[in-house]
Amino acid sequence: DTGVSQDPRHKITKRGQNVTFRCDPISEHNRLYWYRQTLGQGPEFLTYFQNEAQLEKSRLLSDRFSAERPKGSFSTLEIQRTEQGDSAMYLCASSAPRAEAFFGQGTRLTVV
Amino acid sequence: KQEVTQIPAALSVPEGENLVLNCSFTDSAIYNLQWFRQDPGKGLTSLLLIQSSQREQTSGRLNASLDKSSGRSTLYIAASQPGDSATYLCAYAGGTSYGKLTFGQGTILTVHP
Repeated sequence: DTGVSQDPRHKITKRGQNVTFRCDPISEHNRLYWYRQTLGQGPEFLTYFQNEAQLEKSRLLSDRFSAERPKGSFSTLEIQRTEQGDSAMYLCASSAPRAEAFFGQGTRLTVV
Repeated sequence: KQEVTQIPAALSVPEGENLVLNCSFTDSAIYNLQWFRQDPGKGLTSLLLIQSSQREQTSGRLNASLDKSSGRSTLYIAASQPGDSATYLCAYAGGTSYGKLTFGQGTILTVHP
């Protein structure tokens, strides 16, 4: 297994468009997390899945954001009607219970 | 609100120096703490994980300690090298957080030849 994989690595979109990001976790990890990181800040938690169940969502995750993890494997994060404030690095991580979290390389979103 | 503070915010040292990065947190019920490295524009690379029952962990030139009672962790880097230049982030998982990590803002380390 090559670790956590995210696609695309970079995305430039016009304001108002919808975007979708994909995360493939380490295969034996049942926990999957999405974080958002803006320049000069540490990552901030967005949402958490245990297998296919979305168990926690941050207040940062407005109604325009939705995340899924069908069949407990890969996950997608969709942002509808993007705004300039959505520009950030979106990071995915996976882990086994109470174990080390491994992060992907992130998706850099730029909304113009 | 639970917080993580990392000091210093930035550090510049000559190659070969030993250095200490500091992390303090307010949650007394953590169950692990993790140190990460982040290169510009990249994701996070896990360096060390310390469970709440442990006092320290070592990997190569890196040593991380954890003092839950005082809410502090330190990352010690021995014999620093230019390749160590990066942002170092600490993050903890709280007792009821399902492993959700709360991060500090990071320490930007520059090791010059």
